[in-house]
Amino acid sequence: QKEVEQDPGPLSVPEGAIVSLNCTYSNSAFQYFMWYRQYSRKGPELLMYTYSSGNKEDGRFTAQVDKSSKYISLFIRDSQPSDSATYLCAMSDHRGSTLGRLYFGRGTQLTVWP
Amino acid sequence: NAGVTQTPKFRVLKTGQSMTLLCAQDMNHEYMYWYRQDPGMGLRLIHYSVGEGTTAKGEVPDGYNVSRLKKQNFLLGLESAAPSQTSVYFCASSRDRQHSGNTIYFGEGSWLTVV
Repeated sequence: QKEVEQDPGPLSVPEGAIVSLNCTYSNSAFQYFMWYRQYSRKGPELLMYTYSSGNKEDGRFTAQVDKSSKYISLFIRDSQPSDSATYLCAMSDHRGSTLGRLYFGRGTQLTVWP
Repeated sequence: NAGVTQTPKFRVLKTGQSMTLLCAQDMNHEYMYWYRQDPGMGLRLIHYSVGEGTTAKGEVPDGYNVSRLKKQNFLLGLESAAPSQTSVYFCASSRDRQHSGNTIYFGEGSWLTVV
């Protein structure tokens, strides 16, 4: 079983829809949760970062973490064609002096059509 | 405002050939990383460096070597390329450790095909 599971999609929605992207994980030591956005033929870029449980909102994006269920979500409101990309979840534990390696999901490919 | 620059962007190699991917960052970051991205596998860490002159193995280090002789550069070498190393390679850098939530900056990727 992979440490981080993410449905690769693809997911196709009309403009203006609410998009829900999800990841599950198995390692209860994970405390840091991130969402990256990757446009085609580009490198990933950090979209949202959350520490421990709870919600975080940034414009049209909301990240949720439920540590009891080992489940994280990214919601996109009023989705736009420019949101079309692959979204990768990533998470990490904290081990003091070690790297605190990031574990990535496989990514979900999202297309928002006009 | 270059950020993280990778060269070359595309390369086709024959099995057994060697090559080096170069990564350069202009943000004075201590931490640098090499990832590979394969369909259905997500991003996997190959090697990383926590400072000039230091390197360490990541999740999938076999078949690769790295060097960090200068703080701004991180080189990834393939001594004897194999078809299993066909992938997209991403270099990244960060000011601090990955888990701290500080931004990790990725390059635009290097597409490598081994035939």
